[in-house]
Amino acid sequence: DIVMTQTPLSLSVTPGQPASISCKSSQSLLHSDGKTYLYWYLQKPGQSPQLLIYEVSSRFSGVPDRFSGSGSGTDFTLKISRVEAEDVGVYYCMQGIHLPLTFGQGTRLEIK
Amino acid sequence: EVQLLESGGGLVQPGGSLRLSCAASGFTFSSYAMSWVRQAPGKGLEWVSAISGSGGSTYYADSVKGRFTISRDNFKNTLYLEMNSLRAEDTAVYYCAKFCGSTVTTNWFDPWGQGTLVTVSS
Repeated sequence: DIVMTQTPLSLSVTPGQPASISCKSSQSLLHSDGKTYLYWYLQKPGQSPQLLIYEVSSRFSGVPDRFSGSGSGTDFTLKISRVEAEDVGVYYCMQGIHLPLTFGQGTRLEIK
Repeated sequence: EVQLLESGGGLVQPGGSLRLSCAASGFTFSSYAMSWVRQAPGKGLEWVSAISGSGGSTYYADSVKGRFTISRDNFKNTLYLEMNSLRAEDTAVYYCAKFCGSTVTTNWFDPWGQGTLVTVSS
């Protein structure tokens, strides 16, 4: 199974400041089709997870451009350029290249 | 608008059974693979099972293999999860999720349902 490791596990950020979350996979997520199947989800308090980023760096429909994803192979990063109050919740990375599909442990973002 | 509505959760004794349902609307159900993902209280997300659009291929996490059965009724636009031999560690909110395509890999989940709570306890 591919192990997804996120750091840090928690973040406390002042509104307007940037935030960054790292996700490392135990195997490369680069597929033979040339795409890398790494996704980022946000689970806001009391809600179901929602997709933020697909294939490393593509923002999903409606996701603000303050969210960006980067990385390759086994190392990935989610960045929020300027954190807003509505960004609180738990962020998960997930790999979609091999079954079983696996998630990182989650990173809890809170506002200072 | 794509909607997924889970039902069937509840309290069940260890060793018991439960069937979850997920009613889908707003898209051509048979064209998309579907999945169940669970979240134990206060914990992270765990993929449980997935099924192809036709229902001909099914996949399971090792933790539920042999105990859970995923299925779908493409006429009723409904996804199911039959859970047998339930254990305390199966206690979780179970989410139904739609893949963005017909395969269970190389596709993301969107959207997720609101979840249904399964509690396994005596």
